[in-house]
Amino acid sequence: QVNLLQSGAALVKPGASVKLSCKASGYTFTDYYIHWVKQSHGKSLEWIGYINPNSGYTNYNEKFKSKATLTVDKSTNTAYMELSRLTSEDSATYYCTRSITNWGQGVMVTVSS
Amino acid sequence: DVVLTQTPPTLSATIGQSVSISCRSSQSLLHSNGNTYLNWLLQRPGQPPQLLIYLVSRLESGVPNRFSGSGSGTDFTLKISGVEAEDLGVYYCVQSTHAPRTFGGGTKLELK
Repeated sequence: QVNLLQSGAALVKPGASVKLSCKASGYTFTDYYIHWVKQSHGKSLEWIGYINPNSGYTNYNEKFKSKATLTVDKSTNTAYMELSRLTSEDSATYYCTRSITNWGQGVMVTVSS
Repeated sequence: DVVLTQTPPTLSATIGQSVSISCRSSQSLLHSNGNTYLNWLLQRPGQPPQLLIYLVSRLESGVPNRFSGSGSGTDFTLKISGVEAEDLGVYYCVQSTHAPRTFGGGTKLELK
Protein backbone atom coordinates (compact mmCIF):
# COMPACT_ATOMS: atom_id res chain seq x y z
CA GLN A 1 0.00 0.00 0.00
CA VAL A 2 1.01 3.64 -0.40
CA ASN A 3 3.32 4.83 2.35
CA LEU A 4 5.10 8.14 2.89
CA LEU A 5 7.75 7.90 5.59
CA GLN A 6 9.04 11.20 6.90
CA SER A 7 12.27 11.91 8.75
CA GLY A 8 12.30 12.39 12.50
CA ALA A 9 11.68 15.52 14.55
CA ALA A 10 14.21 18.32 14.28
CA LEU A 11 15.44 20.91 16.77
CA VAL A 12 17.28 23.68 14.97
CA LYS A 13 18.74 27.05 15.89
CA PRO A 14 17.38 30.34 14.58
CA GLY A 15 18.99 31.33 11.31
CA ALA A 16 19.91 27.76 10.41
CA SER A 17 18.45 25.52 7.71
CA VAL A 18 16.87 22.08 7.88
CA LYS A 19 16.21 19.47 5.20
CA LEU A 20 13.20 17.20 5.67
CA SER A 21 12.76 13.94 3.81
CA CYS A 22 9.74 11.97 2.64
CA LYS A 23 10.38 8.45 1.35
CA ALA A 24 7.61 7.05 -0.83
CA SER A 25 6.74 3.40 -1.36
CA GLY A 26 3.89 1.29 -2.69
CA TYR A 27 3.41 3.15 -5.96
CA THR A 28 5.32 4.55 -8.91
CA PHE A 29 7.02 7.59 -7.42
CA THR A 30 7.15 9.57 -10.64
CA ASP A 31 3.40 9.25 -11.32
CA TYR A 32 2.19 11.63 -8.61
CA TYR A 33 3.10 15.10 -7.40
CA ILE A 34 4.38 15.42 -3.85
CA HIS A 35 2.93 18.34 -1.89
CA TRP A 36 4.17 19.82 1.36
CA VAL A 37 1.85 21.30 3.98
CA LYS A 38 2.60 23.26 7.17
CA GLN A 39 0.57 23.02 10.36
CA SER A 40 1.48 25.40 13.15
CA HIS A 41 0.63 24.11 16.62
CA GLY A 42 -3.10 23.88 17.12
CA LYS A 43 -3.80 25.72 13.90
CA SER A 44 -5.01 25.06 10.41
CA LEU A 45 -3.07 23.91 7.38
CA GLU A 46 -1.04 25.90 4.84
CA TRP A 47 0.00 24.63 1.44
CA ILE A 48 3.69 25.21 0.79
CA GLY A 49 4.03 23.85 -2.73
CA TYR A 50 4.45 20.76 -4.84
CA ILE A 51 7.05 19.04 -6.95
CA ASN A 52 6.61 16.82 -9.99
CA PRO A 53 9.01 13.93 -9.25
CA ASN A 54 9.23 13.05 -12.92
CA SER A 55 10.37 16.42 -14.23
CA GLY A 56 11.47 18.19 -11.07
CA TYR A 57 9.06 21.05 -11.82
CA THR A 58 8.06 22.93 -8.71
CA ASN A 59 5.18 25.23 -7.85
CA TYR A 60 5.28 27.25 -4.65
CA ASN A 61 2.83 29.22 -2.60
CA GLU A 62 4.15 32.78 -2.93
CA LYS A 63 4.32 32.99 0.85
CA PHE A 64 6.91 30.20 0.99
CA LYS A 65 8.95 30.95 -2.12
CA SER A 66 11.93 32.31 -0.24
CA LYS A 67 11.56 29.85 2.63
CA ALA A 68 11.21 26.39 1.09
CA THR A 69 13.07 24.49 -1.62
CA LEU A 70 11.60 21.24 -2.92
CA THR A 71 13.69 18.53 -4.55
CA VAL A 72 13.49 14.81 -5.26
CA ASP A 73 15.87 11.89 -5.62
CA LYS A 74 14.25 9.47 -8.06
CA SER A 75 16.85 6.80 -7.34
CA THR A 76 15.57 6.48 -3.76
CA ASN A 77 11.94 7.58 -4.26
CA THR A 78 12.51 10.38 -1.79
CA ALA A 79 11.24 13.93 -1.76
CA TYR A 80 12.96 16.65 0.21
CA MET A 81 12.04 20.06 1.52
CA GLU A 82 14.72 22.42 2.75
CA LEU A 83 13.67 25.31 4.97
CA SER A 84 16.12 28.17 5.25
CA ARG A 85 16.78 31.09 7.60
CA LEU A 86 14.61 29.55 10.26
CA THR A 87 12.74 31.65 12.82
CA SER A 88 10.27 30.79 15.55
CA GLU A 89 7.48 31.29 12.98
CA ASP A 90 8.76 28.17 11.22
CA SER A 91 8.19 25.95 14.26
CA ALA A 92 5.44 23.63 13.09
CA THR A 93 4.59 20.16 11.90
CA TYR A 94 5.29 19.60 8.22
CA TYR A 95 3.55 16.97 6.14
CA CYS A 96 4.33 15.55 2.75
CA THR A 97 1.34 14.28 0.85
CA ARG A 98 0.71 12.51 -2.42
CA SER A 99 -1.83 14.77 -4.05
CA ILE A 100 -3.65 15.26 -0.71
CA THR A 101 -4.79 11.61 -0.87
CA ASN A 102 -2.03 9.94 1.11
CA TRP A 103 -0.11 11.69 3.88
CA GLY A 104 3.14 11.18 5.70
CA GLN A 105 3.03 11.01 9.47
CA GLY A 106 4.38 14.53 9.77
CA VAL A 107 7.60 15.88 11.21
CA MET A 108 7.81 18.45 13.97
CA VAL A 109 10.36 21.19 13.50
CA THR A 110 11.24 23.28 16.54
CA VAL A 111 13.29 26.43 16.11
CA SER A 112 14.98 27.39 19.35
CA SER A 113 18.36 28.52 20.60
CA ASP B 1 -5.84 34.02 -2.05
CA VAL B 2 -9.19 32.24 -1.73
CA VAL B 3 -10.51 32.31 1.83
CA LEU B 4 -12.51 29.32 3.02
CA THR B 5 -14.69 30.01 6.05
CA GLN B 6 -15.90 27.00 7.99
CA THR B 7 -18.81 27.03 10.41
CA PRO B 8 -19.26 26.18 13.13
CA PRO B 9 -15.71 26.19 14.55
CA THR B 10 -16.76 23.61 17.12
CA LEU B 11 -19.53 21.06 16.93
CA SER B 12 -20.76 18.96 19.86
CA ALA B 13 -22.65 15.82 18.97
CA THR B 14 -23.92 12.61 20.50
CA ILE B 15 -23.26 9.23 18.95
CA GLY B 16 -25.83 8.59 16.25
CA GLN B 17 -26.64 12.26 15.72
CA SER B 18 -26.46 13.70 12.22
CA VAL B 19 -24.40 16.86 11.79
CA SER B 20 -23.40 19.27 9.04
CA ILE B 21 -20.38 21.49 8.49
CA SER B 22 -20.41 24.48 6.17
CA CYS B 23 -17.54 25.74 4.04
CA ARG B 24 -17.97 29.07 2.25
CA SER B 25 -15.50 30.33 -0.30
CA SER B 26 -14.58 33.95 -1.09
CA GLN B 27 -14.66 33.05 -4.80
CA SER B 28 -16.45 30.52 -6.92
CA LEU B 29 -14.61 27.19 -6.95
CA LEU B 30 -15.95 26.18 -10.35
CA HIS B 31 -12.92 25.66 -12.57
CA SER B 32 -12.97 26.59 -16.24
CA ASN B 33 -12.77 22.86 -17.03
CA GLY B 34 -16.13 22.29 -15.34
CA ASN B 35 -14.79 20.62 -12.20
CA THR B 36 -15.10 22.03 -8.70
CA TYR B 37 -11.98 21.21 -6.71
CA LEU B 38 -13.30 21.21 -3.17
CA ASN B 39 -12.23 18.40 -0.84
CA TRP B 40 -12.91 17.49 2.78
CA LEU B 41 -10.31 16.13 5.19
CA LEU B 42 -10.51 14.69 8.70
CA GLN B 43 -7.64 15.01 11.14
CA ARG B 44 -7.98 12.78 14.17
CA PRO B 45 -5.98 13.74 17.28
CA GLY B 46 -2.27 13.13 16.78
CA GLN B 47 -2.76 11.92 13.22
CA PRO B 48 -2.15 13.39 9.77
CA PRO B 49 -5.21 14.49 7.82
CA GLN B 50 -7.02 11.93 5.70
CA LEU B 51 -9.04 12.56 2.58
CA LEU B 52 -12.78 11.92 2.97
CA ILE B 53 -14.38 13.56 -0.05
CA TYR B 54 -13.04 15.03 -3.28
CA LEU B 55 -14.63 17.01 -6.09
CA VAL B 56 -17.37 18.19 -3.70
CA SER B 57 -19.24 14.92 -3.35
CA ARG B 58 -17.10 11.92 -4.35
CA LEU B 59 -16.35 9.56 -1.51
CA GLU B 60 -12.71 8.50 -1.20
CA SER B 61 -12.18 4.74 -1.27
CA GLY B 62 -12.68 3.14 2.13
CA VAL B 63 -14.57 6.08 3.63
CA PRO B 64 -17.92 5.10 5.20
CA ASN B 65 -20.99 6.23 3.30
CA ARG B 66 -22.36 8.07 6.33
CA PHE B 67 -20.16 10.89 5.02
CA SER B 68 -21.54 12.95 2.16
CA GLY B 69 -20.64 16.22 0.48
CA SER B 70 -22.70 18.69 -1.46
CA GLY B 71 -22.68 22.23 -2.76
CA SER B 72 -21.59 24.35 -5.67
CA GLY B 73 -20.00 27.68 -6.47
CA THR B 74 -19.12 29.17 -3.10
CA ASP B 75 -21.20 27.14 -0.64
CA PHE B 76 -20.38 23.60 0.39
CA THR B 77 -21.52 21.20 3.09
CA LEU B 78 -20.19 18.05 4.67
CA LYS B 79 -22.80 15.89 6.35
CA ILE B 80 -22.27 12.99 8.72
CA SER B 81 -25.39 10.84 8.97
CA GLY B 82 -25.02 9.20 12.35
CA VAL B 83 -21.82 10.25 14.12
CA GLU B 84 -19.62 7.44 15.40
CA ALA B 85 -16.85 7.73 17.98
CA GLU B 86 -14.15 7.35 15.32
CA ASP B 87 -15.45 10.49 13.57
CA LEU B 88 -14.17 12.81 16.28
CA GLY B 89 -11.46 15.22 15.24
CA VAL B 90 -11.03 18.33 13.11
CA TYR B 91 -12.57 18.62 9.67
CA TYR B 92 -11.06 20.83 7.00
CA CYS B 93 -12.25 21.87 3.59
CA VAL B 94 -9.54 22.54 1.01
CA GLN B 95 -9.74 24.03 -2.47
CA SER B 96 -7.39 23.61 -5.40
CA THR B 97 -9.35 25.43 -8.10
CA HIS B 98 -7.33 28.60 -7.54
CA ALA B 99 -3.64 28.94 -6.78
CA PRO B 100 -2.47 28.70 -4.10
CA ARG B 101 -4.43 25.84 -2.54
CA THR B 102 -6.06 27.00 0.65
CA PHE B 103 -7.64 25.32 3.64
CA GLY B 104 -10.54 26.28 5.84
CA GLY B 105 -9.92 27.06 9.48
CA GLY B 106 -11.28 23.73 10.62
CA THR B 107 -14.31 22.47 12.53
CA LYS B 108 -13.70 20.44 15.65
CA LEU B 109 -16.21 17.66 16.20
CA GLU B 110 -16.41 16.57 19.82
CA LEU B 111 -18.69 14.43 21.94
CA LYS B 112 -21.46 16.15 23.83
